[in-house]
Amino acid sequence: GDSVTQMEGPVTLSEEAFLTINCTYTATGYPSLFWYVQYPGEGLQLLLKATKADDKGSNKGFEATYRKETTSFHLEKGSVQVSDSAVYFCALSDPPQTGANNLFFGTGTRLTVIP
Amino acid sequence: NAGVMQNPRHLVRRRGQEARLRCSPMKGHSHVYWYRQLPEEGLKFMVYLQKENIIDESGMPKERFSAEFPKEGPSILRIQQVVRGDSAAYFCASSPATGGGNEQFFGPGTRLTVL
Repeated sequence: GDSVTQMEGPVTLSEEAFLTINCTYTATGYPSLFWYVQYPGEGLQLLLKATKADDKGSNKGFEATYRKETTSFHLEKGSVQVSDSAVYFCALSDPPQTGANNLFFGTGTRLTVIP
Repeated sequence: NAGVMQNPRHLVRRRGQEARLRCSPMKGHSHVYWYRQLPEEGLKFMVYLQKENIIDESGMPKERFSAEFPKEGPSILRIQQVVRGDSAAYFCASSPATGGGNEQFFGPGTRLTVL
């Protein structure tokens, strides 16, 4: 079945450090891939997404590239800020032709950025 | 345009009581999803509904849990005879269309505590 494996946290970085959060997936066909962010006490917000191989999703300085050959969708940011402190979830959904609609989530990676 | 609304934000119940969680999707969205997040874990899909129809309930526990999305009014997730293991954050999401690749917009969640 479909699944997402995320780098375990927590991750603590100094401000302006480089961030990588690893994410790999198992799915049939070509799923759509997402990164969601959850700030303390809030719901999830879509950070970025990619719907086909080699697509790069980007938003707010974050990037992730859909790598079919390595079944990965690693999240990166060149220079983190304190305001990036949150929990980051990698997720996938099956291709539209399967008729499936739900998201499969990784366990989340808690990022803390210290000044 | 208001986002996905959930209420209550916090709910405390004693073992054996009923819990009712409400979700109003974004305006124009007819697809609603419920997810459960146990402490320190990722979100797990529970059920997907359209107006007056349950489309996929493969993630719902077989007993005590039910969901509906009536023609008028919010979607309701109902948990009967709650137990301590039901304590979790329950998130609702909505989307304007079906199929993988379509963004799901999440509400702030209802945090259920069972005493």
